[in-house]
Amino acid sequence: GQNIDQPTEMTATEGAIVQINCTYQTSGFNGLFWYQQHAGEAPTFLSYNVLDGLEEKGRFSSFLSRSKGYSYLLLKELQMKDSASYLCAVMDSNYQLIWGAGTKLIIKP
Amino acid sequence: ETGVTQTPRHLVMGMTNKKSLKCEQHLGHNAMYWYKQSAKKPLELMFVYNFKEQTENNSVPSRFSPECPNSSHLFLHLHTLQPEDSALYLCASSQERGSSYEQYFGPGTRLTVT
Repeated sequence: GQNIDQPTEMTATEGAIVQINCTYQTSGFNGLFWYQQHAGEAPTFLSYNVLDGLEEKGRFSSFLSRSKGYSYLLLKELQMKDSASYLCAVMDSNYQLIWGAGTKLIIKP
Repeated sequence: ETGVTQTPRHLVMGMTNKKSLKCEQHLGHNAMYWYKQSAKKPLELMFVYNFKEQTENNSVPSRFSPECPNSSHLFLHLHTLQPEDSALYLCASSQERGSSYEQYFGPGTRLTVT
């Protein structure tokens, strides 16, 4: 079966750095997405990786290793507004998105 | 108005009621999706429409019935629901199905079945 694993919850301090991991086992691979979802709001797109390596976008970076079935989202200089759930999703060989259950990130002052 | 909109934002209905959820996208996309989001569970894809044609129905009970009259509008008709159907229902759109384009989500309808 297809499976996406990510931690249920993480806590970090304002101004610090946090890394959210995602491991996957899917039927084929056509890219990995990270979305952010604030409580009571719609998920919003953060990043897309299809090749191995690090993609940097401001305070957020996303890394992919296809051989290891592994990705992480790195958030730097954490702000209180970064408190949200972070969803990892993999597009399989049928171009269907397989979603993880999300990681709830709590930022403390 | 831009992006993806959904109405109503909140809905409480009895098990014998019939109601409909509406989604509209203003992005010129050709693919639209219905998802169910339950607490602490992954997003569950329910239906996909590509160029107004339904391309996927992921074993969704017949008490959920989708309708896509054009590429900008998507409906989810509900009837004789069960309490376990209470969840957040999200609509999304993307450039087209079968591509790596990201999906844009609406704010969702919080459904409670009593």
